[in-house]
Amino acid sequence: SQQGEEDPQALSIQEGENATMNCSYKTSINNLQWYRQNSGRGLVHLILIRSNEREKHSGRLRVTLDTSKKSSSLLITASRAADTASYFCALYTGANSKLTFGKGITLSVRP
Amino acid sequence: KAGVTQTPRYLIKTRGQQVTLSCSPISGHRSVSWYQQTPGQGLQFLFEYFSETQRNKGNFPGRFSGRQFSNSRSEMNVSTLELGDSALYLCASNLGPLGTEAFFGQGTRLTVV
Repeated sequence: SQQGEEDPQALSIQEGENATMNCSYKTSINNLQWYRQNSGRGLVHLILIRSNEREKHSGRLRVTLDTSKKSSSLLITASRAADTASYFCALYTGANSKLTFGKGITLSVRP
Repeated sequence: KAGVTQTPRYLIKTRGQQVTLSCSPISGHRSVSWYQQTPGQGLQFLFEYFSETQRNKGNFPGRFSGRQFSNSRSEMNVSTLELGDSALYLCASNLGPLGTEAFFGQGTRLTVV
């Protein structure tokens, strides 16, 4: 399957805590992307990490990629109530392929 | 600049009917992709269009079709609607190849009764 599998399926934390979400996959990838979706709305692109990169940062987001373990993690530091959303990892396996999304992680940040 | 615009936002149709959804990509974006999102199956890729040509297709029956116009606007059509077609249909546009950052519209919520 070219679909990423996110873990955990749901996460509930207190505001100010860090949130760590994981994505594992089985195929070779060209890049891996993380998206956020607020309830029933469109997805928002968060960050893209290429297969030859190991870590990227964007504001309070930190993404790591371990191609030997075929896994990625998304860390949100100092979480806020506004971070409450579903988070998806998406895999791109190369030219002429499609972007394949996992089932998502539901993050709830309690004020 | 304006984002991806999908119309209509909500739609209620009866089984057996057909429906057409519209997507206007970000200006300058030539790639438009469509996804179906349901609680059980998650986000499923329908198809991608680039410069009026279907470049990629997911595993959906022939009742699902699409097209892209010369101005990059895209439509998807679902014929002979089934209850299981009830879903959020999302459109995304890309400036570059499909593997680059995708910009999503707010979606069309289709309910089939």
